[in-house]
Amino acid sequence: NAGVMQNPRHLVRRRGQEARLRCSPMKGHSHVYWYRQLPEEGLKFMVYLQKENIIDESGMPKERFSAEFPKEGPSILRIQQVVRGDSAAYFCASSPMAELAKNIQYFGAGTRLSVL
Amino acid sequence: AQSVSQHNHHVILSEAASLELGCNYSYGGTVNLFWYVQYPGQHLQLLLKYFSGDPLVKGIKGFEAEFIKSKFSFNLRKPSVQWSDTAEYFCAVNTGFQKLVFGTGTRLLVSP
Repeated sequence: NAGVMQNPRHLVRRRGQEARLRCSPMKGHSHVYWYRQLPEEGLKFMVYLQKENIIDESGMPKERFSAEFPKEGPSILRIQQVVRGDSAAYFCASSPMAELAKNIQYFGAGTRLSVL
Repeated sequence: AQSVSQHNHHVILSEAASLELGCNYSYGGTVNLFWYVQYPGQHLQLLLKYFSGDPLVKGIKGFEAEFIKSKFSFNLRKPSVQWSDTAEYFCAVNTGFQKLVFGTGTRLLVSP
């Protein structure tokens, strides 16, 4: 069973470009979470999604950031018009329904976004 | 808002030394507690977790952690570290919502 797969592992963008980060959850997992780790900080929750639904986006910046988890395909975190402050590591995690109550999340290796 | 403090940002130890990494959280209610480890270039991996019951929990690779409710602490320990334990360690708390609150992490370097 492959783990949570994130791609790309490293992404370089210039200011004003768009960044698309992909996350394929573990097989059988229907719940996806995105976290951001700024330099010298801990991981901060951004958004929690189920298939085709955003459940909790309380950690998402109000502008330029969006996330989706379609019926088919990976979850996508999209950042429009990136700025230098968006440079960070973005981690995706997934959970199966059976482990939701205990909030056990399985993490990917992260995508490191660098904005020039 | 809930928060998690990891006081040691960088720790350097020699092989066979004992390890204790501190973790304190701020939340007065029921919590689930986790320690994750990230080896260089790899994904975050769950080391151990506490939900209820025995406050001393054992995890993988010889790690253990003790939940002390009165101190709001969940410190990670290992009696004898190995070079392969070099990694970044994260403490995390869940307070009943579907999200984890993480500490800032502790980078452990074990010298052979």
